[in-house]
Amino acid sequence: AQSVTQLDSQVPVFEEAPVELRCNYSSSVSVYLFWYVQYPNQGLQLLLKYLSGSTLVKGINGFEAEFNKSQTSFHLRKPSVHISDTAEYFCAVKEEGAQKLVFGQGTRLTINP
Amino acid sequence: GAGVSQSPSNKVTEKGKDVELRCDPISGHTALYWYRQRLGQGLEFLIYFQGNSAPDKSGLPSDRFSAERTGESVSTLTIQRTQQEDSAVYLCASSHGTGNPYEQYFGPGTRLTVT
Repeated sequence: AQSVTQLDSQVPVFEEAPVELRCNYSSSVSVYLFWYVQYPNQGLQLLLKYLSGSTLVKGINGFEAEFNKSQTSFHLRKPSVHISDTAEYFCAVKEEGAQKLVFGQGTRLTINP
Repeated sequence: GAGVSQSPSNKVTEKGKDVELRCDPISGHTALYWYRQRLGQGLEFLIYFQGNSAPDKSGLPSDRFSAERTGESVSTLTIQRTQQEDSAVYLCASSHGTGNPYEQYFGPGTRLTVT
């Protein structure tokens, strides 16, 4: 069955430090991969997506993610975080031919000054 | 242009009462989705509508949950005889269509609290 695992429920980092939020998935078919961000008291916003082609995808706000098919991972990275990046981040997977998104449980990113 | 809107933004109801949640998708979006987000958890798929096709109800947790959508317009999610475990944020999303993985645009959600 399709599933998404975000290995860290909370990640605290200092401002201007690099960060990596981990995401692993399981699926028996081809998938499309997404990262969404949810700022406090706001709806979900798409950060980036992998559909095909280059395995390194760049998104908004300086985030990027790399699709690793052999490790079934899609980790999110940012080289230098800002206070404004404090939010909940969700990894999601969509199987080819399916319509629904399957979400991980989320990672709360907290940026300390 | 306007995004996905949902109403009410917050709803407090007593156990056993029925509630109706509303979603207005982005104009022109043929696909509409409902998800549930329980506290500290990810989003769970509930139901999917695409145009006039039969909806995919595979995510509805019980027969107390139902949803309707007329054409490509507003959708309502109804929960009958609410239970405390129904407390969650209910999110609606819409997208251009199917086939390709069109981006789903999410509304701000309705926070439901069952007391």
